[in-house]
Parts: sequence; C-alpha cells; structure tokens
Amino acid sequence: AQSVTQPDIHITVSEGASLELRCNYSYGATPYLFWYVQSPGQGLQLLLKYFSGDTLVQGIKGFEAEFKRSQSSFNLRKPSVHWSDAAEYFCAMDSSYKLIFGSGTRLLVRP
Amino acid sequence: NAGVTQTPKFQVLKTGQSMTLQCAQDMNHNSMYWYRQDPGMGLRLIYYSASEGTTDKGEVPNGYNVSRLNKREFSLRLESAAPSQTSVYFCASTEGPQGYEQYFGPGTRLTVT
Repeated sequence: AQSVTQPDIHITVSEGASLELRCNYSYGATPYLFWYVQSPGQGLQLLLKYFSGDTLVQGIKGFEAEFKRSQSSFNLRKPSVHWSDAAEYFCAMDSSYKLIFGSGTRLLVRP
Repeated sequence: NAGVTQTPKFQVLKTGQSMTLQCAQDMNHNSMYWYRQDPGMGLRLIYYSASEGTTDKGEVPNGYNVSRLNKREFSLRLESAAPSQTSVYFCASTEGPQGYEQYFGPGTRLTVT
C-alpha cells in the first residue's frame, strides 16, 4: 500500500542550527512529493515539490529537500533555522488525484 | 484573489445535529478536496472532486456527504454529527488531477458535544 512516514513526531533545534526532517514513502514508481508547512491555527502552505529531474529541490523560506530513490526518502533541510520556522511540517505524496500525508513533525525552536 | 475560503471558522454542534461546511475557490481549479486533521494523524482525505460534476470517496468518508455545486464551490455535510467528528476540516483545490500543488483554506474547527 502507498504510504508516507514521518518518523519524528517532535524535533527541537536551537535557533541558527541546521535542520533535517525525515520523510519516507512507499510507492511502486517515482512519486510526486511535497513538503507543506502549517503554522499554528493556519492552513497548509507548500514549501517545495519534486516531480522529476534534479533530485535536490529548492523551496521557499530557505528550505531544500533531496529525493533519494534508493532510500525511498525525501528529507527536508534548512542550514540555519529561524524562530519563525517553528511550525508543523507535513510530507505528502501524490497518489492518483489524491495526496497522502505523513503524520507530521512538529518543530520547536530554542532561542 | 482570495484563494480558498471556508465558512464557518468555528462551530460547536450537539450530537445528532446537522451542518454544512462551505468551501469556495477563485483560482479556476478543477479539483477540490475535503480533509480532516486530527492530532498525530496528519490530514486524511474525506471526499474529493476531480472535476466539476464528479465526487469520490477518500479514506474516511463515513458520516459525510459532499456536493460539488459548481466549479468554484464544494460543500461538506454532516447529516447527524457525532463526537468522533470533532476535528479541524480543511478544504483544498488544485489545477489538475495529478502532480499539481494543492492550495488549502484556513480550516474550520468543529466541536461536537
């Protein structure tokens, strides 16, 4: 069955430190992959997407993600976290008219 | 452009009451979706409409009905609300059936007592 797994429920990093959020998918072919961010009380906003081609994709707010087919992963990274990055992050996979979401990772940022 | 709008923002219902959540988009998108978000479970698809005039069940359709009123509007109805339907509901829309970004509304927080 197709699925998306985000193994970390919470992650805490210090402001200015680097960040990596993990995402693994289960799919028979090359999927379309997305990362969304949700600030408290808000809807979801797209950070970046991968369709094909270059496996390192750049997004908004200084985020990037790398698609690794051999590991079935699409991890989100940011070299230096800002306090405003505190939010919940969702990895998602396109599955024939639908998005399948991971359960989310809540990012906390220490001053 | 307003993007995706949802009404109401908050609602409290008693068990057994009915209500309709409204969603509208002004981006001329073909596909629209209803999700529910519960703690620790991400977003789960309730129903979707790949194009005007079509609707299909998602992962958790029981207890809900939908209407794609026109290309802009997609409503979600709870006929007899249950406490298990306490959740945050998001509407989303996208340009095409696959591989396109979904745009989300701000959500409706529903509590069923």
